[in-house]
Amino acid sequence: DQQVKQNSPSLSVQEGRISILNCDYTNSMFDYFLWYKKYPAEGPTFLISISSIKDKNEDGRFTVFLNKSAKHLSLHIVPSQPGDSAVYFCAATETSGGGADGLTFGKGTHLIIQP
Amino acid sequence: NAGVTQTPKFRILKIGQSMTLQCTQDMNHNYMYWYRQDPGMGLKLIYYSVGAGITDKGEVPNGYNVSRSTTEDFPLRLELAAPSQTSVYFCASRQLSKRTQLIYEQYFGPGTRLTVT
Repeated sequence: DQQVKQNSPSLSVQEGRISILNCDYTNSMFDYFLWYKKYPAEGPTFLISISSIKDKNEDGRFTVFLNKSAKHLSLHIVPSQPGDSAVYFCAATETSGGGADGLTFGKGTHLIIQP
Repeated sequence: NAGVTQTPKFRILKIGQSMTLQCTQDMNHNYMYWYRQDPGMGLKLIYYSVGAGITDKGEVPNGYNVSRSTTEDFPLRLELAAPSQTSVYFCASRQLSKRTQLIYEQYFGPGTRLTVT
């Protein structure tokens, strides 16, 4: 049973346009969400995160939006650049459990930026 | 500051063999994790550790063992390799969250690609 879902395996966007990557979750105990970027043969690198007490977090070209009632978050990249071509993973965690807060990952979306 | 390092990068094992995947971090992070990623899937948590001497199971621990004798090292042991353990293994670490600053992002190593035949 997938608790974090990324329903688009791939997304193609023209350079300079906005890229929107979507993520849904089913576990209502998740209260912290993260986006990771992964290039082939490398480990995931942290991009941006958001706590459930916020609905938006911005860092340069990257903005994450959280809609708790819909259990949905999205990552916006504006403007998209060729170096943004990678696999993007949505991840979530429950911070109140007292454990080490391991992350639950979606399957990823392969973003391709077209010149 | 190398971050999280993993060795080896690649390994091919025969069924029934054993091996240890090494993970070291130089950021003085308390928390360390092992994940596996199967093709087309997200990462799944195998084991984690909140500090030296303390380890616990994640979502998919069967067939693996870990130890944490120092803050820096968190090796993952496969005792009897099976084809189902063919995967890419990632080690990660994170620092303690502070009262004034939420810190939950984990930093990942480059991964070990393991094939069991």
